[in-house]
Amino acid sequence: EIVMTQSPATLSVSPGERATLSCRASQSVSSNLAWYQQKPGQAPRLLIYGASTRATGIPARFSGSGSGTEFTLTISSLQSEDFAVYYCQQYNNWPAFGGGTKVEIK
Amino acid sequence: EVQLVESGGGLVQPGRSLRLSCAASGFTFDDYAMHWVRQAPGKGLEWVSGISWNSGSIGYADSVKGRFTISRDNAKNSLYLQMNSLRAEDTALYYCAKGRSGQQLTPFDYWGQGTLVTVSS
Repeated sequence: EIVMTQSPATLSVSPGERATLSCRASQSVSSNLAWYQQKPGQAPRLLIYGASTRATGIPARFSGSGSGTEFTLTISSLQSEDFAVYYCQQYNNWPAFGGGTKVEIK
Repeated sequence: EVQLVESGGGLVQPGRSLRLSCAASGFTFDDYAMHWVRQAPGKGLEWVSGISWNSGSIGYADSVKGRFTISRDNAKNSLYLQMNSLRAEDTALYYCAKGRSGQQLTPFDYWGQGTLVTVSS
């Protein structure tokens, strides 16, 4: 079983600033890593897959990087609508999600 | 437009069973893998089960293995989750999610709004 660990649990950022979220896998998942955004009362939305490919309609301020066991989601300039919880997910084996990072307004 | 509509949730006593359904539309259902993901109140996402396009590959989280059964009916564009021997810790919002491809190891590009399952006496 692959365990996904996200850090930090909470990230306080001011609008317009850069946010960097981390995700670590307990063993290599190659580039089979996705990021999701979830807002209160809503279903998750796919942001990034293949570690670095933006999903349809996702703004360019969202970018993903990494491979193997270490991954990063960067939001280059936070907009008000970006304050949410973000989850990473590996799909190299049967899927597993990280515990999430809440991005809150500083 | 892709739509996934879950149903079948509700209040159930521990040890009893429940069957969830997910009605899909707006895409060629039998081309894609499908999954169930749950979220306990105030908690994170937990993958529950997944099934490939032709039901040839099926997987379960350890927490539900032996108690839950996933299935699909491609003729009816529907996904199911039979949940037996329910426990309090199964209480969650259950989402149906579409895979980006027909194989089971794929990210999830569309999600339903979920159906709430509450296990309590």
